[in-house]
Amino acid sequence: SQQGEEDPQALSIQEGENATMNCSYKTSINNLQWYRQNSGRGLVHLILIRSNEREKHSGRLRVTLDTSKKSSSLLITASRAADTASYFCATDAGNSGGYQKVTFGTGTKLQVIP
Amino acid sequence: EAQVTQNPRYLITVTGKKLTVTCSQNMNHEYMSWYRQDPGLGLRQIYYSMNVEVTDKGDVPEGYKVSRKEKRNFPLILESPSPNQTSLYFCASSFWTGNGELFFGEGSRLTVL
Repeated sequence: SQQGEEDPQALSIQEGENATMNCSYKTSINNLQWYRQNSGRGLVHLILIRSNEREKHSGRLRVTLDTSKKSSSLLITASRAADTASYFCATDAGNSGGYQKVTFGTGTKLQVIP
Repeated sequence: EAQVTQNPRYLITVTGKKLTVTCSQNMNHEYMSWYRQDPGLGLRQIYYSMNVEVTDKGDVPEGYKVSRKEKRNFPLILESPSPNQTSLYFCASSFWTGNGELFFGEGSRLTVL
């Protein structure tokens, strides 16, 4: 089952603009991660935010988490053409055995126009 | 170099012909997982493994088998492939301490005719 749902499904912006992607999920989580995927390639981990954190930064990335609304956002500032990719949120809800179960959303396809 | 290696990267096969997609990681990760990616559906988990000889079903396990006889390897087996298993497959691994960062292979694009 899909835990995370990203919004929008696709986003096209000019180079230099900021890009914001949102993720909503359904159940309580231990942490939420964002991944990037260049076309047809493997996913690459960007950033992880734990359930007790509200905001996290990494370079040009800013992630927020609102557990009361079960939502997260990924902001990419000063976008570059090289940021063109699909972005996925992934939630770790764990299970009864204490093991992590990471579930991915359907992704946001970002196009940055030079 | 830390990596997850999948083989083959591309494969065209016919219905019913058993195939195995191999996955190997060199990071001593306990956790390994297989996902399939289909347009509009994102990544869906097929099977995962918490350690050697410990495997469990993900969300879409039907038609697949896995084994974890060694820590570094986690092959995905399609005993009798069908066209609805045409997909892009990813293997991923991580430490299972809750840090959660998954390392992905480059993917295996499978076409079943």
